[in-house]
Order: sequence, then structure tokens, then C-alpha cells
Amino acid sequence: EIVMTQSPATLSVSPGERATLSCRASQSVSSNLAWYQQKPGQAPRLLIYGASTRATGIPARFSGSGSGTEFTLTISSLQSEDFAVYYCQQYNNWQGTFGQGTKLEIK
Amino acid sequence: EVQLVQSGAEVKKPGESLKISCKGSGYSFTSYWIGWVRQMPGKGLEWMGIIYPGDSDTRYSPSFQGQVTISADKSISTAYLQWSSLKASDTAMYYCARHLGAALDYWGQGTLVTVSS
Repeated sequence: EIVMTQSPATLSVSPGERATLSCRASQSVSSNLAWYQQKPGQAPRLLIYGASTRATGIPARFSGSGSGTEFTLTISSLQSEDFAVYYCQQYNNWQGTFGQGTKLEIK
Repeated sequence: EVQLVQSGAEVKKPGESLKISCKGSGYSFTSYWIGWVRQMPGKGLEWMGIIYPGDSDTRYSPSFQGQVTISADKSISTAYLQWSSLKASDTAMYYCARHLGAALDYWGQGTLVTVSS
């Protein structure tokens, strides 16, 4: 099973600043990597797929990069609605796994 | 509009069986894999398995193989997740979601399953 490790577990950032979240795979997943945002009491929302493609309706301040085993989600200028938990997820050989999540909190 | 609508919350006792559902609409239900995801209270997301409603091809995470059964009825555009004997540790929110390639692009609202004696 491919293990996804996210860092940091918690990230404190001020509104308007940039946030950088990391995700590492235990083996190469090529570009089969997605990012999700989850707010309390809500289902997750797809932000990025294919490592770098924004999903429909996702603001341009969200960007994804990386391939193989190292991936990054960047939020360029944090808005109040961006404070949430973020998960990465890989899908390879008919199996998917999520990272443990990064909680993005207001500094 | 693509929608996945899940069945309502359930409260069960240990040892009981349960089948929860996920009804798709607004797209060709038989043309996309549907996945199930578990979220235990206060915890992260866990990928459980997927089904292709077109032919009911099913794949499970090793962690969930033998613990649950995923099925689908394409005639009514509905996928299912079922347990034959629930445990307290099955208490969680369960989400269904549509697979777009490697990602999950549309999600149901979740079904809360509580198992308690």
C-alpha cells in the first residue's frame, strides 16, 4: 500500500499570506495526485487533480505542483474561507490512499 | 447537475447488518467508478474501495477487504455499502464519491453510522 505523508500537521498563517502544504508518497504515483479541502460538518471538496489541474470552480489562488513522490499545494493569498483541513490522495493500480491531513488555521 | 444523494443516518447495535446507499443523478451512472470513503470521528479520510456500476467490477482497499461489501444496481443508479455484522469500531461518517480518473470529483453528503449497544 502506498503511504501518503502530509506536512505539517498544523499550519498557522495570517489572512493574505501564502500557505504551502506538502505531501509525500512512499513510492512514485506519477501525477495521480489530488488535493481536497474539508470544512467542519461538510463533505470534502476536490481542489486539484492530476497534481496540478484545478477542479471546476476552484479559485486561481489554489495551485498544485509536483510529480512522482513530492507534491505541494500552494494557496497564494489566504482568504477567511480557506481555513480548513486539506488532504492529498493518490490513486494507483486500483488502490487509493489519503494523507492524514493538514489543518490550516488562522494565525 | 451531478448529484450523489446518500441514505440517512443509522443507529445500530453490534452484530447487526446494515446497507447504506448512494444514488447518482445528472450523469451517466454506469460510466464512472464510484468510491466509498470512511471518516471516523475526529479523524482523517480513508479510501475503502470502488465499484464500476457498468459491470459491477469492484476493488477494495486491503484494510477493508472482507469487512464490507460494495455493490451497485445500475437500473436505479445506486451504489451500496454493506456490513454483515457491525462493530463499534464501524462508527463513522461514510461518503460516496464519483471517480474522475484518479480523483473524486463529486461527493455525497455523507451517511453517519453509529454502532452502540
